[in-house]
Amino acid sequence: DTEVTQTPKHLVMGMTNKKSLKCEQHMGHRAMYWYKQKAKKPPELMFVYSYEKLSINESVPSRFSPECPNSSLLNLHLHALQPEDSALYLCASSHEETTSGRAYEQFFGPGTRLTVL
Amino acid sequence: TQLLEQSPQFLSIQEGENLTVYCNSSSVFSSLQWYRQEPGEGPVLLVTVVTGGEVKKLKRLTFQFGDARKDSSLHITAAQPGDTGLYLCAGSAGGTSYGKLTFGQGTILTVHP
Repeated sequence: DTEVTQTPKHLVMGMTNKKSLKCEQHMGHRAMYWYKQKAKKPPELMFVYSYEKLSINESVPSRFSPECPNSSLLNLHLHALQPEDSALYLCASSHEETTSGRAYEQFFGPGTRLTVL
Repeated sequence: TQLLEQSPQFLSIQEGENLTVYCNSSSVFSSLQWYRQEPGEGPVLLVTVVTGGEVKKLKRLTFQFGDARKDSSLHITAAQPGDTGLYLCAGSAGGTSYGKLTFGQGTILTVHP
């Protein structure tokens, strides 16, 4: 199973709402990532979790709150977002240990298309 | 800060033509990945190259990693409309930089029937 799943596929929310994005993988990967992607641009890294601990926060505003309940699940809690936060949010996972360079192969989910009104 | 310069940014060709996309950097990468992304979907990993000079083939796609591991290319032979999408190269410096991929700006490829 080389699949990363994300729910929901689409999300529309107001600026005062609270919502969560969910991501799941069953590849035994111990590193998981959140990215934000604007149209026709490369993904921008937001957070990295390694062994369920937050290891990288790319100076993301506090209205985005990540959570890693276990090694297979990753959540992104959203609160008081702005219209400019509308984007495709991608989850990815990879092995954590270096093995022939393949540690850095990241497998992406299909994304959640978020629209903030 | 590592940078990956990807070119061209846009490519519009007819079915059957060949094309090459380039990723160049002044930095050395421990590995480099190529992804293809269709609208509204996540990037799909096509290949990973880790050895300088390495060449990998995936049907009509040929990937090359430069000898110095600073550049890479993707060559598509006899392009088909199904090849249309956003192509992304992404490099990893390895070591303590694990998890942080440096992405190129992407190449939007359109193959017309």
